[in-house]
Amino acid sequence: DSGVTQTPKHLITATGQRVTLRCSPRSGDLSVYWYQQSLDQGLQFLIQYYNGEERAKGNILERFSAQQFPDLHSELNLSSLELGDSALYFCASSVVPSGSYNEQFFGPGTRLTVL
Amino acid sequence: TQLLEQSPQFLSIQEGENLTVYCNSSSVFSSLQWYRQEPGEGPVLLVTVVTGGEVKKLKRLTFQFGDARKDSSLHITAAQPGDTGLYLCAVYNFNKFYFGSGTKLNVKP
Repeated sequence: DSGVTQTPKHLITATGQRVTLRCSPRSGDLSVYWYQQSLDQGLQFLIQYYNGEERAKGNILERFSAQQFPDLHSELNLSSLELGDSALYFCASSVVPSGSYNEQFFGPGTRLTVL
Repeated sequence: TQLLEQSPQFLSIQEGENLTVYCNSSSVFSSLQWYRQEPGEGPVLLVTVVTGGEVKKLKRLTFQFGDARKDSSLHITAAQPGDTGLYLCAVYNFNKFYFGSGTKLNVKP
């Protein structure tokens, strides 16, 4: 158990809908990262927050948005869902905001299926 | 084009065999990480290598960072079924983490 929690574990929805994925980082970790893992694209970095502020942005679609709240939990909002958005979404957390030696701790993921 | 190329993509071996998986790039990195991901779970960090030519050992796993810091290898000695999983390499570049597509290892008893 990494100490990072994600809810829900599974989510099935229809095209065009909007969903919210939730992540609680490890106690004491200020950084939260979101990743998308699909069979054809591998693990892709989406976005990072540090202590409530956006820190780095990856290949995140405009239909997706995220935020980190004062209690440090984070939410990833996915809207106008398409079939291709079906994937595993992981949240990770770390103590420090950045750096090559940064150890990220990953949650168990949310499996999103768009029908 | 992927920043990190991992090979082989798939590997199925018998318990007790040795194996090596590779992570290659044309770019130079200050460090490189290896993760293992088991089905239904998130990746878990195994090691970070930071110096060109560095070798790190974690029980039966040996990690090496290339002299030019462009590539890395992971060697497993006497593989066990518990080693089954997806092995990912990752680098931190321009404020972002980039992962390779991984090597899916299956160790048969």
